[in-house]
Amino acid sequence: GAGVSQTPSNKVTEKGKYVELRCDPISGHTALYWYRQSLGQGPEFLIYFQGTGAADDSGLPNDRFFAVRPEGSVSTLKIQRTERGDSAVYLCASSLAPNTEAFFGQGTRLTVV
Amino acid sequence: DQQVKQNSPSLSVQEGRISILNCDYTNSMFDYFLWYKKYPAEGPTFLISISSIKDKNEDGRFTVFLNKSAKHLSLHIVPSQPGDSAVYFCAASETGNFGNEKLTFGTGTRLTIIP
Repeated sequence: GAGVSQTPSNKVTEKGKYVELRCDPISGHTALYWYRQSLGQGPEFLIYFQGTGAADDSGLPNDRFFAVRPEGSVSTLKIQRTERGDSAVYLCASSLAPNTEAFFGQGTRLTVV
Repeated sequence: DQQVKQNSPSLSVQEGRISILNCDYTNSMFDYFLWYKKYPAEGPTFLISISSIKDKNEDGRFTVFLNKSAKHLSLHIVPSQPGDSAVYFCAASETGNFGNEKLTFGTGTRLTIIP
């Protein structure tokens, strides 16, 4: 596709369960970012990949959160033992290179009940 | 602590008039600033940016002004159009070795253009 694609668009899960959120960046974009947007807040940085490696994971809130990008394209954000406070919209963005415009996907709305 | 602040959660402007959205920041290491526009159920879309070496950047109806001494920036939209109704986020970054990849966002201002 032409843009950043995130699946699923909505995910409802029970407290304590494990979830995976997927991001397909724009083809050829080497940089990929995950952000989290809670209700009434702006997006909050989680992690940044340059190629396959996480160049900056300082925004991950705790060790229940993990993200991978094994082939330098698709990325998966993994959340273990979900808590109600994890409920938010998870946004993925990609850019051709660092220091260039980042394009966002539509987000995955995660609801933990 | 909120390093990027948008103190007006909402703003209503008559169509054709000027919309002015404000943003303040506290981190003096920020040197690159961006505005994003967001419609419901969509991701943010880049609008305009400015480097700290400039005090103004213009792109069509959109102009961003930066006042470094006051740690303040503003986005001017003129003339405002109904399609401009959206939530606007101010964002900032430090352009270190890896560029501007880590953005710090404000909480957003919902702009409503009244026909």
